[in-house]
Amino acid sequence: KNEVEQSPQNLTAQEGEFITINCSYSVGISALHWLQQHPGGGIVSLFMLSSGKKKHGRLIATINIQEKHSSLHITASHPRDSAVYICAAPPSGSARQLTFGSGTQLTVLP
Amino acid sequence: GAGVSQSPSNKVTEKGKDVELRCDPISGHTALYWYRQRLGQGLEFLIYFQGNSAPDKSGLPSDRFSAERTGESVSTLTIQRTQQEDSAVYLCASSLVSRTGANYGYTFGSGTRLTVV
Repeated sequence: KNEVEQSPQNLTAQEGEFITINCSYSVGISALHWLQQHPGGGIVSLFMLSSGKKKHGRLIATINIQEKHSSLHITASHPRDSAVYICAAPPSGSARQLTFGSGTQLTVLP
Repeated sequence: GAGVSQSPSNKVTEKGKDVELRCDPISGHTALYWYRQRLGQGLEFLIYFQGNSAPDKSGLPSDRFSAERTGESVSTLTIQRTQQEDSAVYLCASSLVSRTGANYGYTFGSGTRLTVV
C-alpha cells in the first residue's frame, strides 16, 4: 500500500466546473505538498501546507491532519488547468525526500 | 538565482556513454534532491543532500549513478555507461530546511530529459 494515495486517477471536466482531487496519507507528516506537472514534464510546486487552508487564485488546498486527508480544489476550471496533479509528503520529523502520490490526470474540455 | 536551474534541458546520448546533469539550487537552500521520472511512471527519489551532512543515497538504482554537491551550491548527477532504461526526466529540487526540520520553499527545476539511444 502506497503511503500517499490520490483519487481519482483520471478526471475529465467541462470548462467552468468545480474540481476536487483528494489525497490520503498513512504516515505522520510535517507538511503536504501539491504539485502540478504539465505535458513536457516541468513540475511546479502549488502549495505546501501543514494545517488549514491555502488559496492561490482559483486553487484552494485544504488539509485535515487528524483525518490524514488533503484536497485540492480548482474553481471555474479552464483547459489550461489540464495537467497531472500530484500530492507528496515527507515522513514525519524528517525533511527528507518526498513520498509521491501516483498523480491525478486532469483534462478540462472547452 | 530566482529558481532551480537544471542543465541541459534535453540530452540524447549513445548507450554506454557517461552523462553529467547539473542542478543549480535556489541560493540559500540547504537541501537538494534528485528525482527521476520514467515515461508514464511516478517520481522516484534518487539522492538527497542536506548542508554538509552525508548524503542519503538510498534511492540510487545502481553504482553507475553518483552525485556530488559542494556545500550548498551546485550539484551534478553522473550516470556512467548509460543504458536505455536510464532514459527519463531527471528532476532536481531544493528547499530550506530549518534547524527544527521544517521544510520551506520546496522548489523543483524544470528537469533534464535524458534519452539513451
